[in-house]
Amino acid sequence: KQEVTQIPAALSVPEGENLVLNCSFTDSAIYNLQWFRQDPGKGLTSLLLIQSSQREQTSGRLNASLDKSSGRSTLYIAASQPGDSATYLCAVFTGGGNKLTFGTGTQLKVEL
Amino acid sequence: NAGVTQTPKFRVLKTGQSMTLLCAQDMNHEYMYWYRQDPGMGLRLIHYSVGEGTTAKGEVPDGYNVSRLKKQNFLLGLESAAPSQTSVYFCASSSDREGEYFGPGTRLLVL
Repeated sequence: KQEVTQIPAALSVPEGENLVLNCSFTDSAIYNLQWFRQDPGKGLTSLLLIQSSQREQTSGRLNASLDKSSGRSTLYIAASQPGDSATYLCAVFTGGGNKLTFGTGTQLKVEL
Repeated sequence: NAGVTQTPKFRVLKTGQSMTLLCAQDMNHEYMYWYRQDPGMGLRLIHYSVGEGTTAKGEVPDGYNVSRLKKQNFLLGLESAAPSQTSVYFCASSSDREGEYFGPGTRLLVL
């Protein structure tokens, strides 16, 4: 059974800092990995999707990497802003039913 | 392009009442999913569908039923609501090469 772990569970940083969120998964046979952000009381917004054949994806200040063999992904946020405050979720798409398995998230707070 | 929409946004039920949550997507996605999200539990998959007319059980299917009569719609039913079903329900859809797109959620309170 696929298990996804995110570290740290919570993170508080001052504005402008670069930061890294970590995601690990137990079964490396994934089709893709997706990073989401969730604001309080809201739904999930997709940030980046990395296919299993890719090593990284970039969107603006966000960069996600994937090391499938070691079961790890990182989300790098450059020059953090208060508007980046949210919960960040990592999810892996595994075959055998086309299902996503989610981590429990990292709650990020960027302070002025 | 509305993406994934959910109806209703919020509902209060009494124990034993029934209701249906509607999910609609306009992206022609094959796969659709229903999740529930509870504090400290993360997102858990209730039921999912890999195509029109098909459904399958997820991680926490008990107490729920689903139907996918049309490709664009995925219905989640509660036949006899229980307080343990108080949660936020999210619908999502995806295709083979795209990631999952989520709806805004339905907040359900069962008294």
